[in-house]
Amino acid sequence: ETGVTQSPTHLIKTRGQQVTLRCSSQSGHNTVSWYQQALGQGPQFIFQYYREEENGRGNFPPRFSGLQFPNYSSELNVNALELDDSALYLCASSPNRQGAEQYFGPGTRLTVT
Amino acid sequence: QKEVEQDPGPLSVPEGAIVSLNCTYSNSAFQYFMWYRQYSRKGPELLMYTYSSGNKEDGRFTAQVDKSSKYISLFIRDSQPSDSATYLCATPVSGGYNKLIFGAGTRLAVHP
Repeated sequence: ETGVTQSPTHLIKTRGQQVTLRCSSQSGHNTVSWYQQALGQGPQFIFQYYREEENGRGNFPPRFSGLQFPNYSSELNVNALELDDSALYLCASSPNRQGAEQYFGPGTRLTVT
Repeated sequence: QKEVEQDPGPLSVPEGAIVSLNCTYSNSAFQYFMWYRQYSRKGPELLMYTYSSGNKEDGRFTAQVDKSSKYISLFIRDSQPSDSATYLCATPVSGGYNKLIFGAGTRLAVHP
């Protein structure tokens, strides 16, 4: 069974730029959630995708957007990057949209300068 | 008041010690609780998943929930240097979807 994978591992962007992060969900899981984890903090929920549609959203502005594909992989897009967007971005998959157990990938560390 | 509170530590203990990690929560509607372990520069790994009050044991780990005081604990027996990590408590909030609300995490160091 393949776990959750994310790419890239880390990247550096400049304020104002746009970034796309990618996630492949665990085999058999149709729901993907994205979280932002600032240094020294717990992960904060950004949004969840189920069957290619956004299924719930946390307190993040619209410049955070996402996609889910038919194979249940997902992308997180962030436009107009700000310095405070520097964080570890985590993708988590679960077998269904109401499943409480979520399995995390290794994360993508984004640095905005 | 945050929905889930957790002392960030750091907590430093000698190898073999019993470790107690704790969280409090504010909403009595929360029913499920998880403990995640996160090694440096890695994603969180699900350790334990509990529902309702009482204890759940898995090897050296015991999760405890006290709903009357809104208090959850993770005990680690015979702690090992490999247990050195950040431990995050979390609870799911559902509303047609499930998002996890996390505590800030407690950093644990087990020294030989």
